[in-house]
Amino acid sequence: GENVEQHPSTLSVQEGDSAVIKCTYSDSASNYFPWYKQELGKRPQLIIDIRSNVGEKKDQRIAVTLNKTAKHFSLHITETQPEDSAVYFCAASINTGFQKLVFGTGTRLLVSP
Amino acid sequence: DVKVTQSSRYLVKRTGEKVFLECVQDMDHENMFWYRQDPGLGLRLIYFSYDVKMKEKGDIPEGYSVSREKKERFSLILESASTNQTSMYLCASSLVFYPGKAFFGQGTRLTVV
Repeated sequence: GENVEQHPSTLSVQEGDSAVIKCTYSDSASNYFPWYKQELGKRPQLIIDIRSNVGEKKDQRIAVTLNKTAKHFSLHITETQPEDSAVYFCAASINTGFQKLVFGTGTRLLVSP
Repeated sequence: DVKVTQSSRYLVKRTGEKVFLECVQDMDHENMFWYRQDPGLGLRLIYFSYDVKMKEKGDIPEGYSVSREKKERFSLILESASTNQTSMYLCASSLVFYPGKAFFGQGTRLTVV
């Protein structure tokens, strides 16, 4: 089945720096890649997503890139702020007769003032 | 705003008990999911449902069952709770054509003693 690997597991940056989180997937049939942010004690929330026919997508300070050939995708956060501190999950959507999401193991991002 | 509500925020149950976790969504979503969240393991899919009375096994269904008698409600059942089922359980829902755009409940922290 599909496997999604996510790195790093923890990431510490200074406020204002950029942060990059990387994920790889195994199933070349995956065609949708969302990213979720989970703040401490809260539910995961979708922050950005990308479809397989697009190479890059931006939304203000966050962007996601996709390399279908290499089967990896990345989340980029620029000008990080303390409120960006959270656990970030990548996911890949696969079709097993029904579209389902497989999540990565998560990256804990800590932004220090 | 989509609301996905789980019946309990915290639960403590004894080994061998039958445990019911309830989830209700108010946006007429076709898909509903149960995930288990453990540190370092990310979000793992237990079961999902794409219609009333329909269910599909996820990646870790052993020891669990589900029920979906109404579109808005999806129940997770632990037939005989064990200590290795101590975890955070997250319910989610989505539209059938956008399975990756999932809306999560607030989570139930289950402790089995």
